[in-house]
Amino acid sequence: AQSVAQPEDQVNVAEGNPLTVKCTYSVSGNPYLFWYVQYPNRGLQFLLKYITGDNLVKGSYGFEAEFNKSQTSFHLKKPSALVSDSALYFCAVRDLLGGNTPLVFGKGTRLSVIA
Amino acid sequence: NAGVTQTPKFRVLKTGQSMTLLCAQDMNHEYMYWYRQDPGMGLRLIHYSVGEGTTAKGEVPDGYNVSRLKKQNFLLGLESAAPSQTSVYFCASSYPTSRQETQYFGPGTRLLVL
Repeated sequence: AQSVAQPEDQVNVAEGNPLTVKCTYSVSGNPYLFWYVQYPNRGLQFLLKYITGDNLVKGSYGFEAEFNKSQTSFHLKKPSALVSDSALYFCAVRDLLGGNTPLVFGKGTRLSVIA
Repeated sequence: NAGVTQTPKFRVLKTGQSMTLLCAQDMNHEYMYWYRQDPGMGLRLIHYSVGEGTTAKGEVPDGYNVSRLKKQNFLLGLESAAPSQTSVYFCASSYPTSRQETQYFGPGTRLLVL
């Protein structure tokens, strides 16, 4: 079975500071990993994904994520936070061995960037 | 391209009433999904479809039915609405390439069951 955990419900960071939103996963085989962002009253938007290759993945709006197989983590990072980054962030995983099984989403982490 | 659209945007139902939520996509995607989003629960998959004429149950299918008669449309039905079905419903679609697909989401339907 595949699962994903986002251990923090809320992350607060000052504007201009680096931010990290944590995600850990569990799969039987190799993972496909995704980050999505949801702004208020909107649907989810794709940020970035890890399929294979370089462990550091760069995505939209200056975000990046680092795949760490030994720690089964895929933390989302940004060097300098903006107030406009305030949103709900979801990590998702699919097991390469999962056939047609859909993505499994974490419960989300609310990021608040304070000016 | 409109992407993924959902109809209606907002609806209020009384307990026991029925309704159908419509999802449409113009990206020729094979896979379509229905999720519900509740505070503190994240996104939970209700039903999904891997192609026209096929559907499968997700994590929370009870009380819902779906149909995929056309590739571009995915309907979610509530036969007898209950207050526990008050939620925000999201549709998504994807085009699988070796199962590496990115899901594209609609704007959501807010449903209130009284």
